[in-house]
Amino acid sequence: QKEVEQNSGPLSVPEGAIASLNCTYSDRGSQSFFWYRQYSGKSPELIMSIYSNGDKEDGRFTAQLNKASQYVSLLIRDSQPSDSATYLCAVDSRGSTLGRLYFGRGTQLTVWP
Amino acid sequence: KAGVTQTPRYLIKTRGQQVTLSCSPISGHRSVSWYQQTPGQGLQFLFEYFSETQRNKGNFPGRFSGRQFSNSRSEMNVSTLELGDSALYLCASSEKGGALFLNTEAFFGQGTRLTVV
Repeated sequence: QKEVEQNSGPLSVPEGAIASLNCTYSDRGSQSFFWYRQYSGKSPELIMSIYSNGDKEDGRFTAQLNKASQYVSLLIRDSQPSDSATYLCAVDSRGSTLGRLYFGRGTQLTVWP
Repeated sequence: KAGVTQTPRYLIKTRGQQVTLSCSPISGHRSVSWYQQTPGQGLQFLFEYFSETQRNKGNFPGRFSGRQFSNSRSEMNVSTLELGDSALYLCASSEKGGALFLNTEAFFGQGTRLTVV
């Protein structure tokens, strides 16, 4: 059973702080890693994808990947109240389940003014 | 480019009825996946279709079925509805190109909220 684990949260940070969201995965063959943001009552929205070890930055968001440790994280700098949402980590699969994404349960982030 | 379109947005059905949900993927995307989301269980994978073939299936009873048409549009059907089927049903589309399937970014539709009473 391929698993994706996220820090359970909820995570609460003040406005302007750095929010750090973590995710580990069990399938060493995974090649693609994604972060989705889901506001309450809405569908998940893709905010970051990362395929290679290291950091990938997009505006206030930085995704970090370490395949050796099977670890992927998302940093949100200068957090804003509008960042308050549930963040889902997703990992692709290879082999017999090629084409399927595995999702973590999500980490709920609250940014307070 | 239009996004993923799911219809209807909301449905209320009674136990024992059946329901069909529709998903139109992003133009050019050949993979469509379906998920069930409930507060207690998170995102649960139902099935994935690629070029009209079911390639992956989650751990749901046979009452849940789906299909994909030649234009990549997909439908899922739930027969003999139970109260526990009340959930947000999400469809995600993805462009699967090349031998290595490197681009697997999946984009979600707005979902269909099904309430079974």
